[in-house]
Amino acid sequence: AQRVTQPEKLLSVFKGAPVELKCNYSYSGSPELFWYVQYSRQRLQLLLRHISRESIKGFTADLNKGETSFHLKKPFAQEEDSAMYYCALANAGGTSYGKLTFGQGTILTVHP
Amino acid sequence: EAGVAQSPRYKIIEKRQSVAFWCNPISGHATLYWYQQILGQGPKLLIQFQNNGVVDDSQLPKDRFSAERLKGVDSTLKIQPAKLEDSAVYLCASNTRPGLANLNEQFFGPGTRLTVL
Repeated sequence: AQRVTQPEKLLSVFKGAPVELKCNYSYSGSPELFWYVQYSRQRLQLLLRHISRESIKGFTADLNKGETSFHLKKPFAQEEDSAMYYCALANAGGTSYGKLTFGQGTILTVHP
Repeated sequence: EAGVAQSPRYKIIEKRQSVAFWCNPISGHATLYWYQQILGQGPKLLIQFQNNGVVDDSQLPKDRFSAERLKGVDSTLKIQPAKLEDSAVYLCASNTRPGLANLNEQFFGPGTRLTVL
């Protein structure tokens, strides 16, 4: 069965410090991985996806198939990055194509 | 474009009562998902619809939960009877069709927070 693990429930950093939110997965096929974010009083929304190889709001994430990881990184954290972050894996085939499996989430707090 | 709409936003009921949640997806989105998010956990998929057909309901507790999407647009999720452990946020999400140019991005509603006393 597929699984997504985010080992840190809470992560605190100071403004300007680098930040890394960890995500590990288990999946038998070729994974499609995402980071979703939920800011205070807002809806859950997509931050970035590995297939696009994009940088959003200064965040990047690299898929490492050898380590089955998809860690989210930002070199200089900002206070507005404070939010709940979820790593998610999408079924890449079968009848449940597109189904997302979420990790438990990491609350990131960036202190001034 | 208008986002995914859900109602009610909050609901408090006593155990063994019934409750229903409503979701209106983004116009034109064929796929609709219901998730349950228990406090401190990530969202867990309950059911996935493609138009008005069920694609995946493997994690739906069918003895008490039911969902329908009769005309392939709005959807209703019902719990009957509710248990204490059903206290959670129920999220609805939609996307156009998995696997196309949307790259599986799902758009989420604001959620319904259910408290079962």
